[in-house]
Amino acid sequence: GAGVSQSPRYKVAKRGQDVALRCDPISGHVSLFWYQQALGQGPEFLTYFQNEAQLDKSGLPSDRFFAERPEGSVSTLKIQRTQQEDSAVYLCASSSAGLKQFFGPGTRLTVL
Amino acid sequence: AQRVTQPEKLLSVFKGAPVELKCNYSYSGSPELFWYVQYSRQRLQLLLRHISRESIKGFTADLNKGETSFHLKKPFAQEEDSAMYYCALSFYNQGGKLIFGQGTELSVKP
Repeated sequence: GAGVSQSPRYKVAKRGQDVALRCDPISGHVSLFWYQQALGQGPEFLTYFQNEAQLDKSGLPSDRFFAERPEGSVSTLKIQRTQQEDSAVYLCASSSAGLKQFFGPGTRLTVL
Repeated sequence: AQRVTQPEKLLSVFKGAPVELKCNYSYSGSPELFWYVQYSRQRLQLLLRHISRESIKGFTADLNKGETSFHLKKPFAQEEDSAMYYCALSFYNQGGKLIFGQGTELSVKP
């Protein structure tokens, strides 16, 4: 079956632009996670949804970062007024009842 | 604070040699530990989890609570094992979010 998909796969933004990154989780997966992976680092947790409820946003680095999952399936991570330090790969993962997370291919964001 | 440490950024071995990728964690509760792997041009995927106590692709990992370690081992490395390996920690009471180490790149030479 289809795995987690993310779009776009690559995004180049000028500093100060707003960007929106999309995640399509595996159908039926209740939990959805966003991670940020800087070059040469491991993924870092950003936020977590259970269905449409955002239960943990402790990892969002600033109020420029906003995530939503209005219908409990597709999720969007929005970054306002992008900065160079936002350049990273943004990973989405979904899971069902257990703890096993399935990852998407990631969106590589480059802020010039 | 919860933390996962992988002390080696790069581990290079010859085919057939034993491999041990180190992982130490700091967490006061009862963690669940994982190893994730990312092969070249592929997405991050689960290799194994301590609770399953299974061997995947010849790899095993034992949780040592006394030493707070979860080292990944394989007795005979294969070239196809070359990849990035990430150790991760999860929390039962926090929805399952993962805390990752910085990763170790394993390079298996012929």
